[in-house]
Amino acid sequence: EIVLTQSPGTLSLSPGERATLSCRASQSVSSSYLAWYQQKPGQAPRLLIYGASSRATGIPDRFSGSGSGTDFTLTISRLEPEDFAVYYCQQYGSSSWTFGQGTKVEIK
Amino acid sequence: QVQLQESGPGLVKPSETLSLTCTVSGGSISSYYWSWIRQPPGKGLEWIGYIYYSGSTNYNPSLKSRVTISVDTSKNQFSLKLSSVTAADTAVYYCARGPEMDVWGKGTTVTVSS
Repeated sequence: EIVLTQSPGTLSLSPGERATLSCRASQSVSSSYLAWYQQKPGQAPRLLIYGASSRATGIPDRFSGSGSGTDFTLTISRLEPEDFAVYYCQQYGSSSWTFGQGTKVEIK
Repeated sequence: QVQLQESGPGLVKPSETLSLTCTVSGGSISSYYWSWIRQPPGKGLEWIGYIYYSGSTNYNPSLKSRVTISVDTSKNQFSLKLSSVTAADTAVYYCARGPEMDVWGKGTTVTVSS
């Protein structure tokens, strides 16, 4: 099973700042089958990025994903008030899919 | 647009079987993978398993001995059964269209308690 480790656990930033979230895999993720999700309290997760770098439908271009192999990054170029939430990475390149433990982006 | 809705009992007794159904509306269940995911209170997401519309399945190894996912294409539904539940199975249970989970249900809370 591929273990995904996200860092940092919590990111304290101000609106307008840049956010950089990391997701590291315990082994290489096949074909960059990695996704990122945003979750707000009381809501289901929302797909942001799939295939490591492709934005899902309707996702603003301030969200971008990069990386391959074992190291992946989600970048939010300029934080909007609605971006403060928890973010999860997920790999679906192996037979057993897994999620990271999440990174909380909070208002500083 | 495709929408998913989870349904099932909100309270299950310890040692019994949790049963949930996800109804797909606004589109066909065919040609996709369909997943179950859960989230214990205050914790992160855990993938439970998936079923392809043809019926092939794959489960989280840590739950494999207790999980069964099935599909009913005539009803555009897929279902989850989790046996021998304990308090540790208390969670919000989500269904989603995967593997890149682009459509999610709103989630249903299941509490395991006597």
